[in-house]
Amino acid sequence: DTAVSQTPKYLVTQMGNDKSIKCEQNLGHDTMYWYKQDSKKFLKIMFSYNNKELIINETVPNRFSPKSPDKAHLNLHINSLELGDSAVYFCASSLRRAGGSNEQFFGPGTRLTVL
Amino acid sequence: QKEVEQDPGPLSVPEGAIVSLNCTYSNSAFQYFMWYRQYSRKGPELLMYTYSSGNKEDGRFTAQVDKSSKYISLFIRDSQPSDSATYLCAMSKWGQAGTALIFGKGTTLSVSS
Repeated sequence: DTAVSQTPKYLVTQMGNDKSIKCEQNLGHDTMYWYKQDSKKFLKIMFSYNNKELIINETVPNRFSPKSPDKAHLNLHINSLELGDSAVYFCASSLRRAGGSNEQFFGPGTRLTVL
Repeated sequence: QKEVEQDPGPLSVPEGAIVSLNCTYSNSAFQYFMWYRQYSRKGPELLMYTYSSGNKEDGRFTAQVDKSSKYISLFIRDSQPSDSATYLCAMSKWGQAGTALIFGKGTTLSVSS
């Protein structure tokens, strides 16, 4: 199946731990994103990468560190997890087209719960 | 004022009704307008995509953009129980690759049979 996939789907961990979320897309896209959806379902951009280069780094604590080993993968590492980090994290991807269109395709999400 | 405003609902309609979902925005630089559908505990699914002002139709769905009023709409004709979901409007400026989508808070729709 062509898609954006994320692992794990669920992540339950203790405060202070370090965890990683992985994302892969096989759509042939050149741009990938991380979004955070809070408890009120509001989706907000965290990071974006184009061809492995960081494009957007929103006001996110530096405990969050994205890494893009290649165009098809974008991982998110979180250090020293806090209660407020509990949310659903979505990976997305898009293809840069002439005209600047910005259709983004989302993965299924990783539901992170920090206890 | 938030960049994108969307009434969260919930909106409840009977099967077969015409549904109208709307968003307003404040940033005149937005050029691309999208509607996503999100089922519970799933990722957002791209439904409709429009560039600048105008209408676009796809089956039972019609997207409208009025840039002069900074107002976008999604119409669903002959609504079905399977349309029950949260609908998110999203928009972005013209720009380099990696430009973020700015989302509304979503409207929760329930279609009863």
